[in-house]
Amino acid sequence: ELKVEQNPLFLSMQEGKNYTIYCNYSTTSDRLYWYRQDPGKSLESLFVLLSNGAVKQEGRLMASLDTKARLSTLHITAAVHDLSATYFCAVTNNAGNMLTFGGGTRLMVKP
Amino acid sequence: DAGVIQSPRHEVTEMGQEVTLRCKPISGHNSLFWYRQTMMRGLELLIYFNNNVPIDDSGMPEDRFSAKMPNASFSTLKIQPSEPRDSAVYFCASSTGTGAYNEQFFGPGTRLTVL
Repeated sequence: ELKVEQNPLFLSMQEGKNYTIYCNYSTTSDRLYWYRQDPGKSLESLFVLLSNGAVKQEGRLMASLDTKARLSTLHITAAVHDLSATYFCAVTNNAGNMLTFGGGTRLMVKP
Repeated sequence: DAGVIQSPRHEVTEMGQEVTLRCKPISGHNSLFWYRQTMMRGLELLIYFNNNVPIDDSGMPEDRFSAKMPNASFSTLKIQPSEPRDSAVYFCASSTGTGAYNEQFFGPGTRLTVL
């Protein structure tokens, strides 16, 4: 059974600081996704990572993938309040269609 | 494109009543997914359709839950009879089902409250 674990579950940080969210998964997978969810809203796709060593960046967020370690990271640089949200990683099964989600990391950026 | 459309956005019902949630996937997407989100269990995949055919329903919690996809542009998730523990946000998502990225795009969700 594919399991996905994120840590931390909750992160409170000051504006301007850097931090990293970790996502571990239990079995090999084709793809890893990062989603953002604002309170009461739907999930918004941020990144899709396909291969070992893949790195993608969008603004203050950078995601990377290490398939050998079964680990992805989401790095936040110089956080701003607008980044406050819950971030989920998700991994596909071997068929590549079904997603298993991590428990989410609730990020709160304080002024 | 309008994105994934779900209705209703909010539903409040009493225990024992039948509830039907509706989803219209993005045009051209061949795969459709129903998820449930709760504080206790997080995001759970309930059922997955490809080309209107149910492929995996192992996440459907009980026989009270059923899902259909009569055509490429419409799917329903039915709960009969509903129970308070079914209270959750139900998301529908769709994807092309193929391609390197095969991203799933989520609808706005239906917030279900069973009293």
